[in-house]
Amino acid sequence: KNQVEQSPQSLIILEGKNCTLQCNYTVSPFSNLRWYKQDTGRGPVSLTIMTFSENTKSNGRYTATLDADTKQSSLHITASQLSDSASYICVVRPHQAGTALIFGKGTTLSVSS
Amino acid sequence: DSGVTQTPKHLITATGQRVTLRCSPRSGDLSVYWYQQSLDQGLQFLIQYYNGEERAKGNILERFSAQQFPDLHSELNLSSLELGDSALYFCASSTQSGDTGELFFGEGSRLTVL
Repeated sequence: KNQVEQSPQSLIILEGKNCTLQCNYTVSPFSNLRWYKQDTGRGPVSLTIMTFSENTKSNGRYTATLDADTKQSSLHITASQLSDSASYICVVRPHQAGTALIFGKGTTLSVSS
Repeated sequence: DSGVTQTPKHLITATGQRVTLRCSPRSGDLSVYWYQQSLDQGLQFLIQYYNGEERAKGNILERFSAQQFPDLHSELNLSSLELGDSALYFCASSTQSGDTGELFFGEGSRLTVL
């Protein structure tokens, strides 16, 4: 069964610190892997999209990595800010046509001052 | 602002009732997706339309139905509502028919069934 598992479930860090969120998936083959940021009560917003052949992609202070061999991805946030407090969702697009995106349950990040 | 508009933002109704959620995609986007997000759950794919035609179906209950109109806006109809239907319902749009492109999400419609 295609699954996307994220860890940790929640995380609290101090403002200015770095953190790394993990995503393990069993989806194979897949077309792309995405990371979304979802503020509480708002719609998800795309941070990065990586194809299966890409290893890393950055968007400002957000850097996503992908290891297709181990089926793992990580999202690294540098110099965190209070506005980074949100849920971060890992999403995998299976290669099979007509198959929907598979969403992880997300990691809830809280950045405190 | 993603450009995707969902109405209403909040809706409170009783069990057994029927509601309609509306979504206007970004200008030029032909695909519309509907997702359900229950408390502490990941987004669950319900259904996708592309240029007026149903393209993919997920875990959508028989009590739920959707359609996409010629002007590309979409409606999600939820009937015989149960307490467990309380959730955030998101609409997303993209230019492409498959999930290879960027998805733009609306702000969601929060449904509370009492």
